[in-house]
Order: sequence, then C-alpha cells, then structure tokens
Amino acid sequence: AQSVAQPEDQVNVAEGNPLTVKCTYSVSGNPYLFWYVQYPNRGLQFLLKYITGDNLVKGSYGFEAEFNKSQTSFHLKKPSALVSDSALYFCAVRGYGNKLVFGAGTILRVKS
Amino acid sequence: DVKVTQSSRYLVKRTGEKVFLECVQDMDHENMFWYRQDPGLGLRLIYFSYDVKMKEKGDIPEGYSVSREKKERFSLILESASTNQTSMYLCASSFRGQGYTFGSGTRLTVV
Repeated sequence: AQSVAQPEDQVNVAEGNPLTVKCTYSVSGNPYLFWYVQYPNRGLQFLLKYITGDNLVKGSYGFEAEFNKSQTSFHLKKPSALVSDSALYFCAVRGYGNKLVFGAGTILRVKS
Repeated sequence: DVKVTQSSRYLVKRTGEKVFLECVQDMDHENMFWYRQDPGLGLRLIYFSYDVKMKEKGDIPEGYSVSREKKERFSLILESASTNQTSMYLCASSFRGQGYTFGSGTRLTVV
C-alpha cells in the first residue's frame, strides 16, 4: 500500500533563510508525488508535482522539490523564506484509482 | 483554471440529521474525491468516483454515502450525523491523476 511520512509536525525558520520540509514515501512502481499548501480555513493549493524527468522540480511561489529515488524522499525547499509562506504543507503520492494518499502535514512558521 | 465549488463553507447540524455536502467542478474531470481533514491525521479519503454513477469506498467510508448522477457533481451524504463527524470536508477533482484541484472546504460541526 502507498504511504507518505512527514516526520516533522512543525518547521520554524527565520525570514530570508532557506527552508526544507521533509517527505518520504512508499509506493510500488514509479511514484507520482505532489506538494500542496493550505492556508487557514481554506482548501489545498497545488504547489508542484513530480511524475518523471528531472529530479529537481520547480513549482509555484518559488518552491522546488528534490526527488531522490534511493532515499524515497521528496523534500520541499525554498532558498529564501517569506513570512507569507507560513502555512500547512502536505506531501502526497498517487495511489490506486488515481487517488492521493497524504501525509499528516507539516506546519511551517516563518518568523521575521 | 479548473474550479471546484463546495456549496457551504460552514455548516452546523444536529446529531441524527441527514446532511448533504455538495461539490461541483467545471472542467469535465472524470475523477472526483471526498476527503476529511482532522488535525494530526492529515487528509483521509472517504469516497471517490471515477465516472458518473461509479463510486468506490476510500479508507473511512463508514457513516457516509455518495452520489454522482452528473459528471460535474459529487455529493457526500451523512445519513445520520454524529459528533465524531465534526471535521473539515474537502472535495477534489482530477483528470486522469495528472492534476488535482480542491474546493475551499466545508467545516461541518455536529452538535
């Protein structure tokens, strides 16, 4: 069965510093991986996805993610964090029937 | 852009009531999904549908049913609402698993 782990409940970073939100996955076959962001009392917004190709995927709002097959990881990164990046971030893997399996989420807090 | 619209942002219902949550998408997507979101548990799949009148149970279908009579509309039904169904409910649609668009969510409180 497919699964996703986000090992950190919360990540704290100072504005202007690089940020990383970690994600590891378990899936049979080639993974389709996604990152979403959620602001308070809102739905999920798509950030980026990996299906095939380059291991470094660029997405919305300056975010990128690095796919590492040997470590089964898909960490979300940004070179310089903004206070407005503070939100809840979800990693997901596509499973049977095109359904997404989500991690528990990581709260990102960026302090000025 | 694909738009997924959930009919209510906030709902308060009484225990035992039958509750309908409506979701409409405007881009002819085959796949539609209902998730519930609870703190610390992430998003859990309740039901999904890969075409009109087709439905499959997700991970936590107990206490829920769904209806998909038209391609653009996917309804979640709580047959007899209970307090443990108080949650954020998120609808999503996708085209062949390539992209997923979520609605803004419905925060349901059962009292």
